[in-house]
Amino acid sequence: EAQLVESGGDLVQPGGSLRLSCAASGFMFRNFWMTWVRQAPGKGLETVAIINTDGSQKYYVDSVKGRFTISRDNAKNSLFLQMTSLRAEDTAVYYCAGDYSSPSGSYWGQGTLVTASS
Amino acid sequence: DAVMTQSPLSLTVTPGQSASISCRSGQSLVHRDGNTYLSWFQQRPGQSPRRLLYKVSTRDSGVPDRFSGSGSGTDFTLQISRVEAEDVGVYYCTHTTRWPWTFGQGTKVEIK
Repeated sequence: EAQLVESGGDLVQPGGSLRLSCAASGFMFRNFWMTWVRQAPGKGLETVAIINTDGSQKYYVDSVKGRFTISRDNAKNSLFLQMTSLRAEDTAVYYCAGDYSSPSGSYWGQGTLVTASS
Repeated sequence: DAVMTQSPLSLTVTPGQSASISCRSGQSLVHRDGNTYLSWFQQRPGQSPRRLLYKVSTRDSGVPDRFSGSGSGTDFTLQISRVEAEDVGVYYCTHTTRWPWTFGQGTKVEIK
């Protein structure tokens, strides 16, 4: 069974940093574009960053450009999100997810909560 | 950016009746390869999103055939026939035709 498990969410002061990790199993991780999606409390979904299969292409939503970095390690079936200069508006549940349009399935983790607050 | 606008934002349905959710994009969602990468997700309370349909109308494995998708270009519809109690949740349309991959605001479905 396909599974994505996020970790690394925490309470951090504004201006601080965090690194999120996502461990994949049960599917061919290396064949999927991967994403980080966030959901602020009581709000909708926002794709924050995406990365292609070999990590050579990365795209970010404007609000996180220059602050967040997406990366992957296909040998370890892992996805990462390095977050710096965190702001209160970055507070959200962060989901690791596969390509929304893949005919092979759309896999999502259970989410990890990031809270940027003093 | 392709702004995705859903309507209505809230819907209350009697079990056994049908529900329809509209999703309109500010830009055509036809990719240069000819495909339209429009998907629908369901998020039940307290759960992660679950994909129902991709490429407008292809149903995911395990999704009841009560869920169907249609549309083209910029206008799309999710139809839920014979609504059941388990269909409660928020429904989102999204696309991956070009970056950024945007979501609609979500439509909250409640059961009478």
